[in-house]
Amino acid sequence: EAQVTQNPRYLITVTGKKLTVTCSQNMNHEYMSWYRQDPGLGLRQIYYSMNVEVTDKGDVPEGYKVSRKEKRNFPLILESPSPNQTSLYFCATSVPSGRTDTQYFGPGTRLTVL
Amino acid sequence: AQTVTQSQPEMSVQEAETVTLSCTYDTSESNYYLFWYKQPPSRQMILVIRQEAYKQQNATENRFSVNFQKAAKSFSLKISDSQLGDTAMYFCAFMNNNAGNMLTFGGGTRLMVKP
Repeated sequence: EAQVTQNPRYLITVTGKKLTVTCSQNMNHEYMSWYRQDPGLGLRQIYYSMNVEVTDKGDVPEGYKVSRKEKRNFPLILESPSPNQTSLYFCATSVPSGRTDTQYFGPGTRLTVL
Repeated sequence: AQTVTQSQPEMSVQEAETVTLSCTYDTSESNYYLFWYKQPPSRQMILVIRQEAYKQQNATENRFSVNFQKAAKSFSLKISDSQLGDTAMYFCAFMNNNAGNMLTFGGGTRLMVKP
């Protein structure tokens, strides 16, 4: 079954404590990205990756890091979380532009930073 | 930069009736894609329908159809025979092929289907 998985699904943490949200896909997609969802703002892209070892900033990259060491995984790293990073986070995947452009979303990770 | 605007924060419709959700966008690009995503209370993002800008024919998926007006930069979603399971947040989204597959989302419309 084609899947995008995220872990953890829910996380409550404190300011400054480093955390990683994992994203994994089994569809052999080259393109992966991270979005955050905040009320009234829809989803905004944080970072994306066109392929292994190729990453780039989206609209709201400040305070986040990513890595793409293997095709199936694209972790989101918050080195020093702050309360304004409290949000719902989604990982999404697709094949590259010019082919099927539909993005498939993971189930979401609800992050609360106290 | 592209922007997507959904002017209706909340809407309601009676079961079995038809409802139309509005979306407008702003872009200088000519080649792009438009999407409607549904987000039920489970928070999962579910693709409802997509439209390629170069296609004049409006996309249709079962009870869901769009009215794509390229010149007016308008992309509305019509839901026919509304069902209780259609209750959700609906997001309009724009994708420019030249911008790394990034989706630009509107702020969403919360739809309530009433029995």
